[in-house]
Amino acid sequence: QVQLVQSGAEVRKPGASVKVSCKASGYTFSSYDINWVRQATGQGLEWMGWMNPNSGNTGYAQKFQGRVTMTRNTSMSTAYMELSSLRSEDTAVYYCARSMILDNWGQGTLVTVSS
Amino acid sequence: SSELTQDPAVSVALGQTVRITCQGDSLRNSYATWYRQKPGQAPVLVIYGYNKRPSGISDRFSGSSSGNTASLTITGPQAEDEADYYCNSRDSSGNHLLFGGGTKLTVL
Repeated sequence: QVQLVQSGAEVRKPGASVKVSCKASGYTFSSYDINWVRQATGQGLEWMGWMNPNSGNTGYAQKFQGRVTMTRNTSMSTAYMELSSLRSEDTAVYYCARSMILDNWGQGTLVTVSS
Repeated sequence: SSELTQDPAVSVALGQTVRITCQGDSLRNSYATWYRQKPGQAPVLVIYGYNKRPSGISDRFSGSSSGNTASLTITGPQAEDEADYYCNSRDSSGNHLLFGGGTKLTVL
């Protein structure tokens, strides 16, 4: 069965960076885009961007342009999302999800930004 | 407009039919996709494309669209359907996704 397993919770200070991983199994990793979505506590879902694991092509929401980088390691079937210049407002659960219809989701990674 | 608008909260009596709506200009050219999210869990896809349900999703769930409004209908909701529901669609560029603000469904 399709599974996306994300890395564990992270705590960072303002101004730092964080890199979250998303390991895929149960399907051909290069065949489906990976999207990243975040959710602050008690808030709605916010789309951050997508990556094509085959080509490495990416597309980012304007809000995150210049601060987010999405990459992959195809030999490990793993996608990565790195967010830099962190601020307290970036405290949220970060999800990876498969394909542009987000048909399978990772379990989420809590990133806490606090001094 | 690059926004999708949902009612923040909707309630329905057990067994009645409820419609959750999502409005936005992008819906004139792009299907809405719907997700259910229960507290502390990741979202789950419930409707995509033209009223398609992933395997394992009850046929109580159906989707429809007219103009700039998409709807998720739950026929005879059960207690376990109480959750937050989110719509999304592609934006006008076709390469980016937009989310609605979510609707909290209460089953009375």
